[in-house]
Amino acid sequence: DAGITQSPRHKVTETGTPVTLRCHQTENHRYMYWYRQDPGHGLRLIHYSYGVKDTDKGEVSDGYSVSRSKTEDFLLTLESATSSQTSVYFCAISRGGPVFFGPGTRLTVL
Amino acid sequence: EDKVVQSPLSLVVHEGDTVTLNCSYEVTNFRSLLWYKQEKKAPTFLFMLTSSGIEKKSGRLSSILDKKELSSILNITATQTGDSAIYLCAVDNAGNMLTFGGGTRLMVKP
Repeated sequence: DAGITQSPRHKVTETGTPVTLRCHQTENHRYMYWYRQDPGHGLRLIHYSYGVKDTDKGEVSDGYSVSRSKTEDFLLTLESATSSQTSVYFCAISRGGPVFFGPGTRLTVL
Repeated sequence: EDKVVQSPLSLVVHEGDTVTLNCSYEVTNFRSLLWYKQEKKAPTFLFMLTSSGIEKKSGRLSSILDKKELSSILNITATQTGDSAIYLCAVDNAGNMLTFGGGTRLMVKP
C-alpha cells in the first residue's frame, strides 16, 4: 500500500541453501528495514539501511546479510538457511517519521 | 536495552464496548511512540506521538502519550468486529529504528 513490494511472497527451501529476499519501494524513502515476526517474539529488527550502501545490524542479525545498491531496493540474504529462520519477513520504509511495512514474505526452511 | 511492554496480552469484548490498550516503555533516547494495527497481513500505521498530553484521534480511535509515566494508551470506542486485530506499540529511539512490544490481541464479538 505504501509503494512497497516484496518478492517472493512465499518460499519453501531446504536447510543449508542460500536465500535472497527482495524489497522494492517506489516512495524514495531514505530508510529501509528488514524485520522478522515470530510467535512469542513479536517484530524484531534484522538489518536496516539509511542510504545507498549504508547498512547496519539490528537486534537479530546473525545469519543474515543485506545490500542496498539503489535507493529503491534492499536485499536480505540468508547465506545458509536454518530451520530457526523460518519466519515471516517484513520490509519497511521510512523518511524518518512513521515506518510503513511491505506485505511480507513467508519463508519456511525444512 | 530498549524495552516496550503492552498490556493486556489479549482482550475479548462485545461490539459497542470501549477498550483501552496500554503501552509502557524504557528507551535510552525517546523520540516518538507509534501504534499499529495488524490483521492477517502487515502492520498498518495508526498514530505517531511525540508530545506528552496531546491526543491524536482518528474516528473511534484515539491515543495519548504520557512521557512522565513513560506510557501511552490507545482507546477504541464503540468497537466493531472489524477492530479485531493485534495492536502493536513501538518506540523510536532516535536512531530511526523501532522497538516493538509484543502486542495486544483484541477480539470483538458480535
